[in-house]
Amino acid sequence: EVQLVQSGGGLVQPGGSLRLSCAASGFTLSNDWMHWVRQAPGKGLVWVSRINSDGSSTNYVDSVKGRFTISRDNAKNTLYLQMNSLRAEDTAVYYCARSNYYDSGGHAFDIWGQGTMVTVSS
Amino acid sequence: QSVLTQSPSASGTPGQRVTISCSGSSSNVGSKTVNWYQQLPGTAPKLLIYTDNQRPSGVPDRFSGSKSGTSASLAISGLQSEDEADYYCSAWDDNLNNWVFGGGTKLTVL
Repeated sequence: EVQLVQSGGGLVQPGGSLRLSCAASGFTLSNDWMHWVRQAPGKGLVWVSRINSDGSSTNYVDSVKGRFTISRDNAKNTLYLQMNSLRAEDTAVYYCARSNYYDSGGHAFDIWGQGTMVTVSS
Repeated sequence: QSVLTQSPSASGTPGQRVTISCSGSSSNVGSKTVNWYQQLPGTAPKLLIYTDNQRPSGVPDRFSGSKSGTSASLAISGLQSEDEADYYCSAWDDNLNNWVFGGGTKLTVL
């Protein structure tokens, strides 16, 4: 079965750090752009970051720039999100997702992880 | 405030056709393809429509997508109770250099 299995997350104090992991199963993610998307409680989806297939190119939403780092280990078929200087407003369910390029001319997030909750609170 | 604008809610009765709209700008919907995601309560989002109007394998043909200018729409015909979910549109934004989502539309099947 093709899936992304997430781990990490939990409760952390403001200013603390956390690392999320996202392991691919049933496929190899080494050829794919990978993303993190988050969803605050009761709110909508917000794209957080992306990384290209070999890790040489990354992008971030402004609100996390300088605090979050996306990375990947293709040998381990795993994506990571290192989150530092965490704030209360980072509290959310974090999803990893694969983007697939379609011949019809665009990318879409076709495989999603199950999500992991990150709570930033004292 | 989301970059893409969706109505917060929509509703319909079983068998009806409902439409969910998504409004953007020239830097996203107007120049990039639009994707739609369905999120059932307590679950991860699922790709419903990609590149404006294409359905992934396994998505019923009751779901269809369209786009005109800077607006996109998701139509659901033959509404069923299991369609009750949140629906999100999404596109790449050339100005922000980000993927952007709509705020989501909560669909209620009456």
